[in-house]
Amino acid sequence: DQQVKQNSPSLSVQEGRISILNCDYTNSMFDYFLWYKKYPAEGPTFLISISSIKDKNEDGRFTVFLNKSAKHLSLHIVPSQPGDSAVYFCAANRDFGNEKLTFGTGTRLTIIP
Amino acid sequence: DARVTQTPRHKVTEMGQEVTMRCQPILGHNTVFWYRQTMMQGLELLAYFRNRAPLDDSGMPKDRFSAEMPDATLATLKIQPSEPRDSAVYFCASGFGTSGSTDTQYFGPGTRLTVL
Repeated sequence: DQQVKQNSPSLSVQEGRISILNCDYTNSMFDYFLWYKKYPAEGPTFLISISSIKDKNEDGRFTVFLNKSAKHLSLHIVPSQPGDSAVYFCAANRDFGNEKLTFGTGTRLTIIP
Repeated sequence: DARVTQTPRHKVTEMGQEVTMRCQPILGHNTVFWYRQTMMQGLELLAYFRNRAPLDDSGMPKDRFSAEMPDATLATLKIQPSEPRDSAVYFCASGFGTSGSTDTQYFGPGTRLTVL
């Protein structure tokens, strides 16, 4: 049973526009959420995180929004750049920790020049 | 430039053979994770260690998988006997952790395993 779901396997966005990646979770005990970015033939790298005590966290071009009532989070990238083309994984954890992460299946983002 | 290293990067083997994957965590990191990536399940946590002691291996098929840390600079994941359904990319990650929490997890490049 997939507790973290990324329902869009792929997404294409024009360079300069906003990319919005979505993630839904089913476990109400999750209270810490992360996004990882993965290039081909490399391991995932941490991008941004958010605790359930917040509803928004921003880091440069990347913003993560959390809607606890809907059990939904999203990653916004603006403006999108060609180097953003990668697979993005959403992950969640309990107890504000960062250990037993539950990952989604990933969304492949392609930025079109 | 500190990185997690994994060997081999690619492994093709036949069903029934033993497979050993190795990971060298970043120096100073005391927590090591093993993940498996498949198309259907995404990234799944198999097991993790702190200070070389196993903390959780509930994600690992017990009958054929085993994970160890012979020393602080080496973590191993073994599959014996291997089966075609084990074909996946196996990632190791390391971080610095205390009770219940770990700082950012840094992932290695993965071992792509194909079992024929």
